[in-house]
Amino acid sequence: GAVVSQHPSRVICKSGTSVKIECRSLDFQATTMFWYRQFPKQSLMLMATSNEGSKATYEQGVEKDKFLINHASLTLSTLTVTSAHPEDSSFYICSRSGGAKNEQFFGPGTRLTVL
Amino acid sequence: AQSVTQPDIHITVSEGASLELRCNYSYGATPYLFWYVQSPGQGLQLLLKYFSGDTLVQGIKGFEAEFKRSQSSFNLRKPSVHWSDAAEYFCAVGLTSGYALNFGKGTSLLVTP
Repeated sequence: GAVVSQHPSRVICKSGTSVKIECRSLDFQATTMFWYRQFPKQSLMLMATSNEGSKATYEQGVEKDKFLINHASLTLSTLTVTSAHPEDSSFYICSRSGGAKNEQFFGPGTRLTVL
Repeated sequence: AQSVTQPDIHITVSEGASLELRCNYSYGATPYLFWYVQSPGQGLQLLLKYFSGDTLVQGIKGFEAEFKRSQSSFNLRKPSVHWSDAAEYFCAVGLTSGYALNFGKGTSLLVTP
């Protein structure tokens, strides 16, 4: 069964509003989780690394003030898209690593559409 | 610079024909290697992975991949493609435990009758 869940699976919002996406590790206490973004017909690009109890690490070109990440517990990381604009419309996917190897477990993704 | 290359953006094969999807990487050391499949609007499903050992890796749905260190490649193969295999395929690499994955741009597979 799924080991990483995301909520919501789809969200449509108006431009200027904020949207929160939850990522849960269902079977493992994850100190580190990852957020990726996938634009239509493109690959997944890492946005940030979410660290439990500390600040997230953002990839170059990703605005930390726009994409707020909170990893308050070992099973939950949230991504908040603040003041969303149409260009933020994308497929957001979270993942966690686990075990002794660098195996990643991906959530089902959240489709964000900003009108 | 570290990179993952999938040279083929689109591939079309006839149902029942064999398939090979190419993946090349450029890393200082042998990374961990993965192949994922993504159906339209869906999340990622892991097909197979290589960490060490036998360079021919068997995965789900009849897929296999071969790691060739000399060519820095990890090509995905399937002897006989089914219509349900039509999807987007991503090669990904990771460096060490706990690191995020670096994805190739993907190869879109179309299967014709």
